[in-house]
Amino acid sequence: GAVVSQHPSRVICKSGTSVKIECRSLDFQATTMFWYRQFPKQSLMLMATSNEGSKATYEQGVEKDKFLINHASLTLSTLTVTSAHPEDSSFYICSASRDRGGNEQYFGPGTRLTVT
Amino acid sequence: AQSVTQPDIHITVSEGASLELRCNYSYGATPYLFWYVQSPGQGLQLLLKYFSGDTLVQGIKGFEAEFKRSQSSFNLRKPSVHWSDAAEYFCAGGTFTGGGNKLTFGTGTQLKVEL
Repeated sequence: GAVVSQHPSRVICKSGTSVKIECRSLDFQATTMFWYRQFPKQSLMLMATSNEGSKATYEQGVEKDKFLINHASLTLSTLTVTSAHPEDSSFYICSASRDRGGNEQYFGPGTRLTVT
Repeated sequence: AQSVTQPDIHITVSEGASLELRCNYSYGATPYLFWYVQSPGQGLQLLLKYFSGDTLVQGIKGFEAEFKRSQSSFNLRKPSVHWSDAAEYFCAGGTFTGGGNKLTFGTGTQLKVEL
């Protein structure tokens, strides 16, 4: 149990376009979902926390208008990178937690975004 | 500020040898502590976690970790490493913020296993 999927696994887009990444909890209801960004050979940096039905809480330095997060249901959260630029190229990983306590997060396999 | 430190960027061990990966934390109170493993291009898999209670925690794949409050450490150990253990290992600390448990990750330790 506690499987989280992400789609797509890899995406290449042109600079200036937008791309949407989906994160789904397949066998449990995720009250809270998290979005992380990982640069090559670096650690994961939390971008935002989203609770179902509420607006996402963004970490300091993360542009909320550029990284749009929607957590419309208990099994789906989406991250949309708007007007993508090459510097947005990164590995994006989501995680999901069964409750707002979020003491255990289940991670998705990640999405590799390349902006050309 | 809350932080998790992994002092070793790379570690190389021979297959069958013992392993210890170091992790130190700096939190106002005892955080929840986790160890994750990441294979290339993959997400994170939870190895073990410490919330409270017994300070020696057993995890999957033969890993264990010991919480030492006096040293602010949560080192990961395995008595005999297998070649398939080669991966990136992340230590993480978490605190409940009311809106969800926020994890702070260490910078990771890359484990190489020599056959």
